[in-house]
Amino acid sequence: QQQVKQSPQSLIVQKGGISIINCAYENTAFDYFPWYQQFPGKGPALLIAIRPDVSEKKEGRFTISFNKSAKQFSLHIMDSQPGDSATYFCAALNTGTASKLTFGTGTRLQVTL
Amino acid sequence: NAGVTQTPKFQVLKTGQSMTLQCAQDMNHEYMSWYRQDPGMGLRLIHYSVGAGITDQGEVPNGYNVSRSTTEDFPLRLLLAAPSQTSVYFCASRRGFSYNEQFFGPGTRLTVL
Repeated sequence: QQQVKQSPQSLIVQKGGISIINCAYENTAFDYFPWYQQFPGKGPALLIAIRPDVSEKKEGRFTISFNKSAKQFSLHIMDSQPGDSATYFCAALNTGTASKLTFGTGTRLQVTL
Repeated sequence: NAGVTQTPKFQVLKTGQSMTLQCAQDMNHEYMSWYRQDPGMGLRLIHYSVGAGITDQGEVPNGYNVSRSTTEDFPLRLLLAAPSQTSVYFCASRRGFSYNEQFFGPGTRLTVL
């Protein structure tokens, strides 16, 4: 049973374009939604995170949009750069329990010149 | 701070052998966890610990054992290695159980022949 569904599995975007990755969740007890970025041969690293009391959070070129009623959230990368080429994971956490972070299956992003 | 460290970086085992993957953190984090990463499957939780002496199973615990005798260390033991355990293993740690960043180690790439 996959609690966090992520799409697309892979994405190719031209330099300067907008990259959009979507995630959906089932458990309404989730109350923290981070995105992780992973470069080849490295461990994942936190990119940006949002709590469900806001609908959007922006940090530089990276924006999370959150739709609580639809139980969906997405990552937008504006002005995508070749250095953004990596695998991106959405995740969800219920801070009220044992705090097990549940991950989506990942999206491999390639930004071409 | 070294953050989260893992050893070894690479390991090849034969079916039936046993080994221990080491994980240590120097941030005094209460929460530590082990994930495995397989293509198309994302990061799946194997075992986690909310403090020294306390461990619990994650999503895919079969074939793995853990212990947490100190705050700093959280080793993962493979008792009878099987080809299905070929994967990349990541250790992670987090301060507390709330909206705190989870830090990942660099990973161990394990191949079981």
